[in-house]
Amino acid sequence: QVQLVESGGGVVQPGRSLRLSCAASGFTFSSYGMHWVRQAPGKGLEWVAVISYDGSNKYYADSVKGRFTISRDNSKNTLYLQMNSLRAEDTAVYYCAKILTPGTFTPQQFDYWGQGTLVTVSS
Amino acid sequence: QSVLTQPPSASGTPGQRVTISCSGSSSNIGSNTVNWYQQLPGTAPKLLIYSNNQRPSGVPDRFSGSKSGTSASLAISGLQSEDEADYYCAAWDDSLNGGVFGGGTKLTVL
Repeated sequence: QVQLVESGGGVVQPGRSLRLSCAASGFTFSSYGMHWVRQAPGKGLEWVAVISYDGSNKYYADSVKGRFTISRDNSKNTLYLQMNSLRAEDTAVYYCAKILTPGTFTPQQFDYWGQGTLVTVSS
Repeated sequence: QSVLTQPPSASGTPGQRVTISCSGSSSNIGSNTVNWYQQLPGTAPKLLIYSNNQRPSGVPDRFSGSKSGTSASLAISGLQSEDEADYYCAAWDDSLNGGVFGGGTKLTVL
């Protein structure tokens, strides 16, 4: 069965960096676009970034552009989110999500989500 | 302020039909498909409706979606207590070159 398991969250000081990982299993990872979506405590969902199945296309929310980098290693079935220059407003649960249809990456159709990993930015 | 606009709350009694609206613009809903998610407290969101009106397998047919122009709506018929959750609409935005979500609607079953 499809599984997405995030890791790497924790407490970090403003301005520091953190790298999140999302280990995928149960499907052909290299065929699917993947997204990161976050949710601040008590708030709604916010789209963060997307990467195409082969890593050739990447897009970011304006709020993280220039600070976050999405990447993937298809040989390891793993998605990453490198987060630099972290701010208090980046505090959230970060979810990785799998696109429904192989070969696509823009439709916001996420059929599987990870359990989320909490990132807290605080001094 | 979310790019897609949803009412913050909705409510209904068991068995009733409720609808949740999602308003956008020509760059998102007007030119891309709309998708709906249900999020129960403390859990990850679940895909409820995709491509405007398609239900993934396992989603009851009590849930339906529609889209017209730059607006979309989610309808839940035969409301049940377990439908009490937060609901989000989502679409791709061609101008932003990114995904956008609605602010979410908290559904209360009275």
